[in-house]
Amino acid sequence: GENVEQHPSTLSVQEGDSAVIKCTYSDSASNYFPWYKQELGKRPQLIIDIRSNVGEKKDQRIAVTLNKTAKHFSLHITETQPEDSAVYFCAARADYKLSFGAGTTVTVRA
Amino acid sequence: NAGVTQTPKFQVLKTGQSMTLQCAQDMNHEYMSWYRQDPGMGLRLIHYSVGAGITDQGEVPNGYNVSRSTTEDFPLRLLSAAPSQTSVYFCASSYSGEVNTEAFFGQGTRLTVV
Repeated sequence: GENVEQHPSTLSVQEGDSAVIKCTYSDSASNYFPWYKQELGKRPQLIIDIRSNVGEKKDQRIAVTLNKTAKHFSLHITETQPEDSAVYFCAARADYKLSFGAGTTVTVRA
Repeated sequence: NAGVTQTPKFQVLKTGQSMTLQCAQDMNHEYMSWYRQDPGMGLRLIHYSVGAGITDQGEVPNGYNVSRSTTEDFPLRLLSAAPSQTSVYFCASSYSGEVNTEAFFGQGTRLTVV
């Protein structure tokens, strides 16, 4: 089955700086790569996603890149704000099954 | 529009007890799944279903049963609860096609087995 690895497990950034989270996947059949944000005690919520036929996607301060050859994808958050503090999960979908990375706890320091 | 609804939100069980976690969605999604979330381990897939009458095992299925008699409902049954099943459980649903594939999560059930 699919194996998704996510790094780093924790990330502390100064407000206004950028944050980058990286993920790798193992199943070449994976064709959909979403990123979820989970605030404490809440459900995961989709913040951005990318399909295997696209190399990069941007939505305001967040962007995702995908390298199919290397089987890795990354989340970039620019101009971080305190409300960006949360746990972020990457995921990869193959054959209907969505497999998640272990998560990155992002703390934005004021 | 309620989305994905899970009940209960909190539950304490004694070892050996059985119970059913309920999940219902009102978005006519074909695909539904159950995950458990443990610290430092992300969300791990327990069971999933691609439509009514069809279920399959995920990454960590042992100790859990599911059924899908309707499109809307996907209950998760713990047969004989063990302390290792203490976790937060999330149900999710999505369309199964190539577009509109966002997975929507329920609010979660925090289960403690003592």
